[in-house]
Amino acid sequence: AQSVTQLDSQVPVFEEAPVELRCNYSSSVSVYLFWYVQYPNQGLQLLLKYLSGSTLVESINGFEAEFNKSQTSFHLRKPSVHISDTAEYFCAVSEVQTGANNLFFGTGTRLTVIP
Amino acid sequence: EAGVVQSPRYKIIEKKQPVAFWCNPISGHNTLYWYLQNLGQGPELLIRYENEEAVDDSQLPKDRFSAERLKGVDSTLKIQPAELGDSAVYLCASSPRTGGSAFFGQGTRLTVV
Repeated sequence: AQSVTQLDSQVPVFEEAPVELRCNYSSSVSVYLFWYVQYPNQGLQLLLKYLSGSTLVESINGFEAEFNKSQTSFHLRKPSVHISDTAEYFCAVSEVQTGANNLFFGTGTRLTVIP
Repeated sequence: EAGVVQSPRYKIIEKKQPVAFWCNPISGHNTLYWYLQNLGQGPELLIRYENEEAVDDSQLPKDRFSAERLKGVDSTLKIQPAELGDSAVYLCASSPRTGGSAFFGQGTRLTVV
């Protein structure tokens, strides 16, 4: 079984400052890793994903995440945040071997960007 | 291309009443999911369909919840009777194939009073 831990439930950060949202996972098998973002009153949107290959993955809006197998982590980072980045961020995993896409989500981190 | 469409967006019902949610996945997506998201929590899988077959419904409370995906396209999730604890957001998602990235609808926010 898989589990995902997002240690920080809330992260306030000033505009243009860097941010890191932490995600650790637990699984006995190989996993795919995802970050989803949820803006107020909207559905989840895929931000970025790690399936294979390079352990550093990037999104189109400046976020990046690095898969660290030894530390079972997939932390999300952005060097300079904008007001529009204020949202809830969810880390998720799914098993590789089953090929299924049953996503197991963490409890989320609410990022608040302060002007 | 239209995304995953869910209706209604909001629903308020009295406890013990039935309620149904509808989902139209992205065209061509064979896999459809229903997730439950409680306040302050991440989504939790209720059921996954591959075409019209429910291949994983282990987390669906079958005493009061039911789902169907006739013809392998649209899906309906039903609760009968609803309880106060069912108040949550119900999310539908679809993916083009097993293992593909899931795309989510905006969800239906259910309030049971």
